[in-house]
Amino acid sequence: QKEVEQNSGPLSVPEGAIASLNCTYSDRGSQSFFWYRQYSGKSPELIMFIYSNGDKEDGRFTAQLNKASQYVSLLIRDSQPSDSATYLCAVTTGANNLFFGTGTRLTVIP
Amino acid sequence: DAMVIQNPRYQVTQFGKPVTLSCSQTLNHNVMYWYQQKSSQAPKLLFHYYDKDFNNEADTPDNFQSRRPNTSFCFLDIRSPGLGDAAMYLCATSRDHNPYEQYFGPGTRLTVT
Repeated sequence: QKEVEQNSGPLSVPEGAIASLNCTYSDRGSQSFFWYRQYSGKSPELIMFIYSNGDKEDGRFTAQLNKASQYVSLLIRDSQPSDSATYLCAVTTGANNLFFGTGTRLTVIP
Repeated sequence: DAMVIQNPRYQVTQFGKPVTLSCSQTLNHNVMYWYQQKSSQAPKLLFHYYDKDFNNEADTPDNFQSRRPNTSFCFLDIRSPGLGDAAMYLCATSRDHNPYEQYFGPGTRLTVT
């Protein structure tokens, strides 16, 4: 059974701080890992993906992957109120279908 | 310009009354997906079309069906909606089942009364 676990939050951080979002997955065969942002009532929007162990940076976002620990995280530096949203972690296995976690709700306080 | 379009954005149907949700795309992607997302839950893949080949997820209820008459359009049919089928239904597309570029439509919010 494939499972993707996230803390539902809400996670509150002050503006300008670093937000840290975590995700664990159960299937060791998972190959690629994705972070989506979803504003309330809107569709998911891809922020980043990562498939190799280590860090991947894109602007204010850094994805971190540790396959041995089955753990992937997203760091948001210099958090802005516009970053307030639900962040969905997703993984793929051999079939390339996306399996989503339930998401972590982030609130950035001005 | 919208690339994945879903109509209607909001749909209200009665318990047991068949309903069809529509998705169209201008990306010419050969894979189209339907997800169900209930409130505060993860999007759950119902099925996808790879070209004309239909791929149903094992746990998708028989009440849900899909049609893809051409590359651009895909429909989700719910034969007898129950109260538990109230959700956001998301259509997505990709080229060759590439998960790195899966584009989502805005979704259709379905209410069952």
